[in-house]
Amino acid sequence: QQQVKQSPQSLIVQKGGIPIINCAYENTAFDYFPWYQQFPGKGPALLIAIRPDVSEKKEGRFTISFNKSAKQFSLHIMDSQPGDSATYFCAAWSLAGANNLFFGTGTRLTVIP
Amino acid sequence: DAGITQSPRHKVTETGTPVTLRCHQTENHRYMYWYRQDPGHGLRLIHYSYGVKDTDKGEVSDGYSVSRSKTEDFLLTLESATSSQTSVYFCAAGPDSNQPQHFGDGTRLSIL
Repeated sequence: QQQVKQSPQSLIVQKGGIPIINCAYENTAFDYFPWYQQFPGKGPALLIAIRPDVSEKKEGRFTISFNKSAKQFSLHIMDSQPGDSATYFCAAWSLAGANNLFFGTGTRLTVIP
Repeated sequence: DAGITQSPRHKVTETGTPVTLRCHQTENHRYMYWYRQDPGHGLRLIHYSYGVKDTDKGEVSDGYSVSRSKTEDFLLTLESATSSQTSVYFCAAGPDSNQPQHFGDGTRLSIL
């Protein structure tokens, strides 16, 4: 069963728009939530990560919003650019538990110029 | 990419043949991981290593074995490849169990 549920599968926005990708989890032992960005032919690259003691984290144009009670978190990309076109994966990890990073199924983002 | 190199980058082989994929890292990270990436599943952990000769199973370990004889090298072996093991395989490495993992660029494996 999928430990982390991610939506949508694909997303198309105009340049300057704010795409939002959502993820949900059930396991309350998860305490580290990274997002990875992947370009074709490349491995996933860590983009930004959050721990559940904060509700929001910003790094440049990328923001994670975290709702611990709802067990949901989302990625917002401000002022999106064509160069942001990639596949984005959310993930969840229990730092004190089994050494397993659980990934969502990915969202393919296309930013139209 | 944290100095992670995977080889080969592409391989086509036949069902029933043994296949070994290699991951080499230059960062002296203690932890190394093998994932497979399939449409609709994201990335799933196959095996990981927490030191030389120390390995453990992940979520989808059946049909795979690993070995780590040196800190910098982590091998993934398919003893008798099956078509269901056609996938893109990623290696990752990290300094500690509570630090982010960094990924290599993957090996695309096709089993006919």
